Amino acid sequence: SQTIHQWPATLVQPVGSPLSLECTVEGTSNPNLYWYRQAAGRGLQLLFYSVGIGQISSEVPQNLSASRPQDRQFILSSKKLLLSDSGFYLCAWGRLAGGNEQFFGPGTRLTVL
Amino acid sequence: DAKTTQPTSMDCAEGRAANLPCNHSTISGNEYVYWYRQIHSQGPQYIIHGLKNNETNEMASLIITEDRKSSTLILPHATLRDTAVYYCIVRVDPLNNDMRFGAGTRLTVKP
Repeated sequence: SQTIHQWPATLVQPVGSPLSLECTVEGTSNPNLYWYRQAAGRGLQLLFYSVGIGQISSEVPQNLSASRPQDRQFILSSKKLLLSDSGFYLCAWGRLAGGNEQFFGPGTRLTVL
Repeated sequence: DAKTTQPTSMDCAEGRAANLPCNHSTISGNEYVYWYRQIHSQGPQYIIHGLKNNETNEMASLIITEDRKSSTLILPHATLRDTAVYYCIVRVDPLNNDMRFGAGTRLTVKP
């Protein structure tokens, strides 16, 4: 069966510090991978998606970046965090086929102070 | 992708059916209807999806109107653990497979 891991589960960082959130998927190959952010009391916002190694599409201009160094690894980064980067970050994977669902990881709650 | 409209919140008595509506009047012929839910502080959980026909699985049933402009998610016997935010999403299935979530419906199951 497939599983998706995210770490850390919670993170408190000062403004201006760097960020690295990692997501890995097990039990599937060549998945589509996604990073979402959810601000308090709001729906999910798609940040990045990837259909393959080294292929990243950005949905929202911001100071965040994503990388996919391996087939089942997706990393969300920032060189300098802003207060507005606080939120709940979710990684998801999906299959490449018609009408298929996405499977979400447990999320990382980031607080920027 | 078509926009969806859902009520902000709903209550349901434990053991009763929960019927969550979703309007997607601008849906096009190749767009699917998806339902996810998110329990507090967890990642979203896939529930069900459909294109034209009604669908049922172990979690829920999805009823799509004939004109496909609205749908209803039915939890047949709601439990307290079904308390969550429920998202209705309508999208084409492009290669990138992205999923755009709105505000959803906050369902509260009460004893």
